[in-house]
Amino acid sequence: RKEVEQDPGPFNVPEGATVAFNCTYSNSASQSFFWYRQDCRKEPKLLMSVYSSGNEDGRFTAQLNRASQYISLLIRDSKLSDSATYLCVVRENNYQLIWGAGTKLIIKP
Amino acid sequence: EAGVTQFPSHSVIEKGQTVTLRCDPISGHDNLYWYRRVMGKEIKFLLHFVKESKQDESGMPNNRFLAERTGGTYSTLKVQPAELEDSGVYFCASSRGQGSGETQYFGPGTRLLVL
Repeated sequence: RKEVEQDPGPFNVPEGATVAFNCTYSNSASQSFFWYRQDCRKEPKLLMSVYSSGNEDGRFTAQLNRASQYISLLIRDSKLSDSATYLCVVRENNYQLIWGAGTKLIIKP
Repeated sequence: EAGVTQFPSHSVIEKGQTVTLRCDPISGHDNLYWYRRVMGKEIKFLLHFVKESKQDESGMPNNRFLAERTGGTYSTLKVQPAELEDSGVYFCASSRGQGSGETQYFGPGTRLLVL
């Protein structure tokens, strides 16, 4: 079983729609949680951290359910520029990042 | 402020050859990390430096891989001899400190192809 599991997609979504990604992690002792975004042939960039109480950044909302070991990302009013691969990342100890394989999102006009 | 830089951006070598990848972290970042993504797989942690010291190299695949960070500034990752399965994208990241609240900033990666 992978340590961080994501649906690879692709998710084909019309512009303006709402899309949600989910991710599960296996280590209940994991400390921190993140969503990274990676554009084609580019480096991953931090999109947002995920907090236990849930957090929002503009059109993006992230939630964490520690009991179920489940993380989600919701994108509202999707834009063409949101097309990318979204990586669910878990931090174990103080530095080591454990990565999901990513979910590919394609926003269509 | 300059970001994390990596050199070369691409490298194509034959099996058995040696390749050295370089990473220059963000100035002032004591923590430097190497990660790797092989085709079709998720990004995997390789190792972590704090200044010039290796704090954790548990992700290094085998002894053909050697990482150094002399002087605590830039780092190199040498693969010798390279094998076909070493092909992938090698990312370097850096952070000022460790723990919650510390973001790891990634370089653009080196795409390695071993033929």
